[in-house]
Amino acid sequence: EVQLVESGGGLVKPGGSLRLSCAASGFTFSSYSMNWVRQAPGKGLEWVSSISSSSSYIYYADSVKGRFTISRDNAKNSLYLQMNSLRAEDTAVYYCARCASSTSCYVDYWGQGTLVTVSS
Amino acid sequence: QSVLTQPPSVSGAPGQRVTISCTGSSSNIGAGYDVHWYQQLPGTAPKLLIYGNSNRPSGVPDRFSGSKSGTSASLAITGLQAEDEADYYCQSYDSSLSGRWVFGGGTKLTVL
Repeated sequence: EVQLVESGGGLVKPGGSLRLSCAASGFTFSSYSMNWVRQAPGKGLEWVSSISSSSSYIYYADSVKGRFTISRDNAKNSLYLQMNSLRAEDTAVYYCARCASSTSCYVDYWGQGTLVTVSS
Repeated sequence: QSVLTQPPSVSGAPGQRVTISCTGSSSNIGAGYDVHWYQQLPGTAPKLLIYGNSNRPSGVPDRFSGSKSGTSASLAITGLQAEDEADYYCQSYDSSLSGRWVFGGGTKLTVL
């Protein structure tokens, strides 16, 4: 069974940093592109960042470029999101999400999400 | 404001048919990129509903169907049921965005 389990969320002050992790199991992690998608309270989904299976291709939404860094460790079946210079508008539930296909990324599996709250 | 535009809300009575539109442009849907749809029930993670414009994953009822034409796509739900009340999101690829992939703003479906 495919499982994606996020951790690392919490309360952080504006300007602070946080590192999210996603532990993957039940599939060959190294074969799939992975993503972080977030959802602010009461708002819609926002694609944050994507990383290809071998980390060769990395993309960021303009809203987080220069502040967030996505990475993965295929040996540990883990995905990460390093978030620096956090702002109030980064408050959201962050989902780890698997691309089902390398050619047309759609998400077939989602984690349960981890809440990040940026507030003083 | 997303580059994929969805109506904020739609509604219908049980048993009726509703459609949700997703309007894009020449850098996303109009460029031939696939459209995918997700259903999100309150307090839960989104669930894949339609992929590749019109394909249903295993387990998704055939009451749900997707189509694409020009710069727009649509999700149709027939035989509305109370359990269909949820938020629905379209998603596609956009060549003009640094993040590449984009969601529509979402549509709240209310079953009357």
